[in-house]
Amino acid sequence: EDKVVQSPLSLVVHEGDTVTLNCSYEVTNFRSLLWYKQEKKAPTFLFMLTSSGIEKKSGRLSSILDKKELFSILNITATQTGDSAVYLCAVVVDNNNDMRFGAGTRLTVKP
Amino acid sequence: DAMVIQNPRYQVTQFGKPVTLSCSQTLNHNVMYWYQQKSSQAPKLLFHYYDKDFNNEADTPDNFQSRRPNTSFCFLDIRSPGLGDAAMYLCATSMGQGINEQFFGPGTRLTVL
Repeated sequence: EDKVVQSPLSLVVHEGDTVTLNCSYEVTNFRSLLWYKQEKKAPTFLFMLTSSGIEKKSGRLSSILDKKELFSILNITATQTGDSAVYLCAVVVDNNNDMRFGAGTRLTVKP
Repeated sequence: DAMVIQNPRYQVTQFGKPVTLSCSQTLNHNVMYWYQQKSSQAPKLLFHYYDKDFNNEADTPDNFQSRRPNTSFCFLDIRSPGLGDAAMYLCATSMGQGINEQFFGPGTRLTVL
């Protein structure tokens, strides 16, 4: 059975802190790993990772994939209150674009 | 702008009364998905269409059905909603097979009375 495990499940930090969110997976026929941010509505796409060791960056957010150890991390530096959200990790499996989500990490950034 | 549209955004139905949720897309994507997301949980894939080919997840209840009359539209039919079916229903699309990201619609929040 495919598994996508995120940790921690929740995290409370103060503005300016740096956070690291973790996603590990055990799936058959891995295709790619995606990170989404979900506030009060539908998930919004952040990154897609397909190759190990290549860091993706967007502003204060960055992410990297390790296909040997089967995990990914999402880093957020200099956090802001607007970063408060649930961050979802999803793994695309097979050729049908089936996507398996982790349970998410709820990040709260306090002023 | 190209997008994924879901209607209605909020739907209230009665226990056992059939309901249909709608999704349309202007992205011309081959694949359309339906997810169920309950409070504080991750989205759970119900089924998806690759063009006209329907792919049901093994644990999707028979109560949930889907139709895709054309590339742009996909419907989720809940034949006899139960209280446990109250959730956010998310539609997503992607371009073909492989490693393409999925684009989500805003969701329909279903309440069952």
